[in-house]
Amino acid sequence: NAGVTQTPKFQVLKTGQSMTLQCAQDMNHEYMSWYRQDPGMGLRLIHYSVGAGITDQGEVPNGYNVSRSTTEDFPLRLLSAAPSQTSVYFCASSYLSTSGGYNEQFFGPGTRLTVL
Amino acid sequence: AQKVTQARTEISVVEKEDVTLDCVYETRDTTYYLFWYKQPPSGELVFLIRRNSFDEQNEISGRYSWNFQKSTSSFNFTITASQVVDSAVYFCANSGYALNFGKGTSLLVTP
Repeated sequence: NAGVTQTPKFQVLKTGQSMTLQCAQDMNHEYMSWYRQDPGMGLRLIHYSVGAGITDQGEVPNGYNVSRSTTEDFPLRLLSAAPSQTSVYFCASSYLSTSGGYNEQFFGPGTRLTVL
Repeated sequence: AQKVTQARTEISVVEKEDVTLDCVYETRDTTYYLFWYKQPPSGELVFLIRRNSFDEQNEISGRYSWNFQKSTSSFNFTITASQVVDSAVYFCANSGYALNFGKGTSLLVTP
């Protein structure tokens, strides 16, 4: 299993450009999430999905769009990049255990994005 | 609202010292889950432990131990006989299908 994969690893954008950060998992997990990590702020939830076709906003959703057309993929779209979106982005997936409890998140390696 | 507080942003110890990383959480849920993650300098996030609200037993895994106390809403993490390789940022988190993270504690272990 590849686990959770993210592409690209690094990206530099100019203000106003758009792009999509890709995330894929091959573990058939129901839940997928996007976080951003900024110095001193920990990881903050951007958007999450509890299954194909179902997404919801997290703590910091402004400026980002998501969709989940398949169980495997959960892309994050920046519509018009701003310098405030310079950050490290992590995608994660998880699943509900047979006993009904939430299991740990499996994280991708991250994408380092710089917006000039 | 869910909230996780890690009061100490940085800790520095000398190798072989014991060190405790504090985590205090807020939740209105009666069933909830708590997690610890490690982020070494290489940047990846490494899962350490998951605990549900029904299980208040302390856990020990080698040099790592966790103390969960519902009465004080705390889930503290202790490293015994710290080593240089323990240097990392440690995050406490709660919730379920998506996580609510604390801001992390950066641990530096020097020889």
